[in-house]
Amino acid sequence: QVQLVESGGGVVQPGRSLRLSCAASRFTFSSFGMHWVRQAPGKGLEWVALISYDGSNRFYADSVKGRFTISRDNSKKTLYMEMNSLRPEDTAVYYCAKGDSGGPPSAFDIWGQGTMVSVSS
Amino acid sequence: SYVLTQPPSVSVAPGKTARITCGGNDLGSKSVHWYQQKPGQAPVLVIYFDSDRPSGIPERFSGSFSGNTATLTISRVEAGDEADYFCQVWDSTSDHYVFGPGTKVTVL
Repeated sequence: QVQLVESGGGVVQPGRSLRLSCAASRFTFSSFGMHWVRQAPGKGLEWVALISYDGSNRFYADSVKGRFTISRDNSKKTLYMEMNSLRPEDTAVYYCAKGDSGGPPSAFDIWGQGTMVSVSS
Repeated sequence: SYVLTQPPSVSVAPGKTARITCGGNDLGSKSVHWYQQKPGQAPVLVIYFDSDRPSGIPERFSGSFSGNTATLTISRVEAGDEADYFCQVWDSTSDHYVFGPGTKVTVL
């Protein structure tokens, strides 16, 4: 069935960088907007970033703008998140999610299992 | 920034009806999506564009709107419906998606 699999999480020191990946399968990846959503331990969901189906438009939450970069490679059916200048408050499970259309206000109809990022010295 | 409100918790007996509300300024001009998240699992879309139900979601789940309040209704509640439920919108003013704080549904 349609699947998203995240990777790249881990433990990192404050100020360092990390790159997350999300591999998509069994759907036309290049036709849909893609998102990153995070969830701090014991907290609610926080939308992080969106990239349109063709990569021409990108939107970011204020909390990560200027530090995180979302990108995609449609030939590899893979979504990325480059995270720089990481802070302890970035500690969370990071989910990639598929939009149900090319861009907003689409719902997120498929989610990955998540990858944990811990920022700590 | 745009803010959504939800009750922190709702308790319901098996077989009864649970109603979870989501409020926000001028919410009626936006499309509301609802997600279910069980402990240790990724969220699952249960209602999109206010009242549409994805394939595979039981008919017991329904969405509605009244004024500036969206409501997720779970009819004939089962033990397996115990989860956190989040509403979500796209705020075109800020070009941000926004999630509500979540409502924990407890089946008594």
